[in-house]
Amino acid sequence: EVHLVESGGGFLQPGRSLRLSCAASGFTFHNYAMHWVRQAPGKGLEWVSSINKNSDNLEYADSVKGRFTISRDSAKNSLHLQMNSLRLEDSAFYYCVKDSSDYALDYWGQGTLVTVSS
Amino acid sequence: QSALTQPASVSGSPGQSITISCTGTSSDVGGYNHVSWYQQHPGKAPKLIISEVSNRPSGVSNRFSGSKSGNTASLTISGLQAEDEADYYCNSYTSRNTRVFGGGTRLTVL
Repeated sequence: EVHLVESGGGFLQPGRSLRLSCAASGFTFHNYAMHWVRQAPGKGLEWVSSINKNSDNLEYADSVKGRFTISRDSAKNSLHLQMNSLRLEDSAFYYCVKDSSDYALDYWGQGTLVTVSS
Repeated sequence: QSALTQPASVSGSPGQSITISCTGTSSDVGGYNHVSWYQQHPGKAPKLIISEVSNRPSGVSNRFSGSKSGNTASLTISGLQAEDEADYYCNSYTSRNTRVFGGGTRLTVL
């Protein structure tokens, strides 16, 4: 059974940095692209970033480009999101999501909450 | 990248059918068959219910179906049940190799 467990969320001030992690299990991690998707409380879903299985194709939403960096460690079956220069509007639940290989997002973690506030 | 356009809310009575639309552009929905749909109940993570416009993952009820015409994709739920009450989101691959979600539709079962 696929399990995705996010960690690293917290409460912090604007301009600070935070690193999210996702521990993956139940599938062959190095064979699949992975994504981060976020959802502000009471709002809709927003795709944030993706990384292909070889880590040589990284993509970002315009809202986070230049501030966030996605990475993966296939030896440890883990996905990461380094978030710098955080803004109030980055406050959200951040979900770690597995790519299905047919352009869908087939397994989701339970999310980790990031709150940016002064 | 602008969000795909979905109606904010739809409603239907048990047993009825409803359709949720998802409108994009030729750079996303209209350009690729890589449209997927997600169901999200309150306090829960989203769940994939349709991939590649019309494919149902294993375990998803055949009451859920998807289609596409031009720049608009649609999700139809037939035989509405109380458990279908949830938020629904569409998602598309884009010409920039990114993904984009719709704004979400709240389904109310009357």
